[in-house]
Amino acid sequence: GENVEQHPSTLSVQEGDSAVIKCTYSDSASNYFPWYKQELGKGPQLIIDIRSNVGEKKDQRIAVTLNKTAKHFSLHITETQPEDSAVYFCAASRRPNDYKLSFGAGTTVTVRA
Amino acid sequence: NAGVTQTPKFQVLKTGQSMTLQCAQDMNHNSMYWYRQDPGMGLRLIYYSASEGTTDKGEVPNGYNVSRLNKREFSLRLESAAPSQTSVYFCASSFTGERETQYFGPGTRLLVL
Repeated sequence: GENVEQHPSTLSVQEGDSAVIKCTYSDSASNYFPWYKQELGKGPQLIIDIRSNVGEKKDQRIAVTLNKTAKHFSLHITETQPEDSAVYFCAASRRPNDYKLSFGAGTTVTVRA
Repeated sequence: NAGVTQTPKFQVLKTGQSMTLQCAQDMNHNSMYWYRQDPGMGLRLIYYSASEGTTDKGEVPNGYNVSRLNKREFSLRLESAAPSQTSVYFCASSFTGERETQYFGPGTRLLVL
């Protein structure tokens, strides 16, 4: 099955700086890569996703990049704010044949004021 | 819309006791999922249901059973709880198809003594 590795496990940044989280996947057939944000005491919430026919996608201060050849994808958060403090998870799946998600272990991001 | 709801929010069990975790969604989704979340291990799929009347094992099904009661409801049962099942359990739902997103509930925190 798919194996998704996520680094780093914890990340502390100064408010206003950028944060980068990286994930690698093992199954070359994976073609859908969502990112979830989990705030304390809540369930994960989708923040951005990317499909294998696209190399980069942006949504305001959040961007995701995908390198299919190297089988890795990254989440970039610019101009970090205190409300960005949360646990972030990357995931991968092979659509439409297999819609189950394989998750990374998560990154705890702390934004220092 | 309430989205995905889960009951109870928190439960303490003794080893060997049984219990059922309830999940319901009001988004007319056809697929539903049960995950467990443990520190440092991300979210791992226990069981999923692609549509009403079907269920399939995920990555960590041992010790659990599920019932897809109808399109809205998907329950997870622990027949004989073990300390290794201490975890946070999340239910999720989605449409099945090319562009679906999984929406998560708020979670059930389970402690098995």
